[in-house]
Amino acid sequence: DTEVTQTPKHLVMGMTNKKSLKCEQHMGHRAMYWYKQKAKKPPELMFVYSYEKLSINESVPSRFSPECPNSSLLNLHLHALQPEDSALYLCASSQDYYSMSYGYTFGSGTRLTVV
Amino acid sequence: GENVEQHPSTLSVQEGDSAVIKCTYSDSASNYFPWYKQELGKGPQLIIDIRSNVGEKKDQRIAVTLNKTAKHFSLHITETQPEDSAVYFCAASENYGGSQGNLIFGKGTKLSVKP
Repeated sequence: DTEVTQTPKHLVMGMTNKKSLKCEQHMGHRAMYWYKQKAKKPPELMFVYSYEKLSINESVPSRFSPECPNSSLLNLHLHALQPEDSALYLCASSQDYYSMSYGYTFGSGTRLTVV
Repeated sequence: GENVEQHPSTLSVQEGDSAVIKCTYSDSASNYFPWYKQELGKGPQLIIDIRSNVGEKKDQRIAVTLNKTAKHFSLHITETQPEDSAVYFCAASENYGGSQGNLIFGKGTKLSVKP
């Protein structure tokens, strides 16, 4: 299995809702990432997990809450989002955060719309 | 931190022609340079990468060159086909706390191949 699987593919939520995005990989990768991508822009790093521990939080608002239950799963919990948070949320994994031995594998993303 | 500039932002070529996309980076400590192709509604897909100890790498119609002295790298696509139409992102690894685990992306190039 050489894929990163993200669910759901599309999500519409109200500003008072709580929802979660899920990411799964079975490649034995020990680093997992959340990126946010607005239309016609490059991906922007949000969080990095290395060996299931949060390594980097790029000053992301607390309405985004990441979780790494085990080495194969990464969640992003969403609460009280704003319309400007609408974007494509990408999950990625790599074999090792410290050496970038084999690069990133990205999932197909979750298209999030906040209404 | 690392900064990556990518040019051009849009590129239109006739089928069968070559396409070249160029990127420059600022941090001489960066040692990994991947290229991603992103089709509409999908996540970025790694198409080729190069490390700082190599000057050129080729994979069928795609090649990447790296000039460490000038701190620039380029993507070359020969014999372009309509299915090459997509947004292409270059990236450079960022030296962050002793690791090379972060990728900094260029702003992207929208390539259109006309039949």
